Amino acid sequence: QVQLVQSGAEVKKPGASVKVSCKASGYTFTSYDINWVRQATGQGLEWMGWMNPNSGNTGYAQKFQGRVTMTRNTSISTAYMELSSLRSEDTAVYYCARGYSSWYEALNFDYWGQGTLVTVSS
Amino acid sequence: QSVLTQPPSASGTPGQRVTISCSGSSSNIGSNYVYWYQQLPGTAPKLLIYRNNQRPSGVPDRFSGSKSGTSASLAISGLRSEDEADYYCAAWDDSLSGGVFGGGTKLTVL
Repeated sequence: QVQLVQSGAEVKKPGASVKVSCKASGYTFTSYDINWVRQATGQGLEWMGWMNPNSGNTGYAQKFQGRVTMTRNTSISTAYMELSSLRSEDTAVYYCARGYSSWYEALNFDYWGQGTLVTVSS
Repeated sequence: QSVLTQPPSASGTPGQRVTISCSGSSSNIGSNYVYWYQQLPGTAPKLLIYRNNQRPSGVPDRFSGSKSGTSASLAISGLRSEDEADYYCAAWDDSLSGGVFGGGTKLTVL
């Protein structure tokens, strides 16, 4: 069965960086994109960007350009999302989600990770 | 302020039919597929509707989606207590070159 298992909760100080992992199993890792979506407490969903594990190509939401980096290690079927220059407003649950490479399926996320809480506090 | 606009709340009694709207523009809903997600408290979102009106396997046919112009709707018929959740619409936005979500609608089953 398809599973996306994310790394554990993190507590970071303002200005630091955080790197969240997302390990895929149950399917061919390089056949589907990995997207990242975050959700602040009590707030809605916010799309951050996508990565194609086969090519390594990425696309980021304008809001996060310059601060986010999405990478992968295909040998262990794991995707990573690193967010730098953290501020208190980045406190949120970060989800990885499996998506499709075709443009018309861009927001079709059929499997999600369990979420990783990142807390930014001094 | 979300790019896609949803009502913050909706409610209905068991057995009723409820509709949740999602309003966008020509750069998102008007030119791309709409997706709907259900999020139960404390859990990750779950895909409910894809490509405007398609249901993934396992999603009951009580859930249906539609799209017209720059707006979309999610309808839930035969409302059940377990449908109480947050619902989000989503679409690609060509102007932003990115994905956008609605602000979410909290559905209460009275």
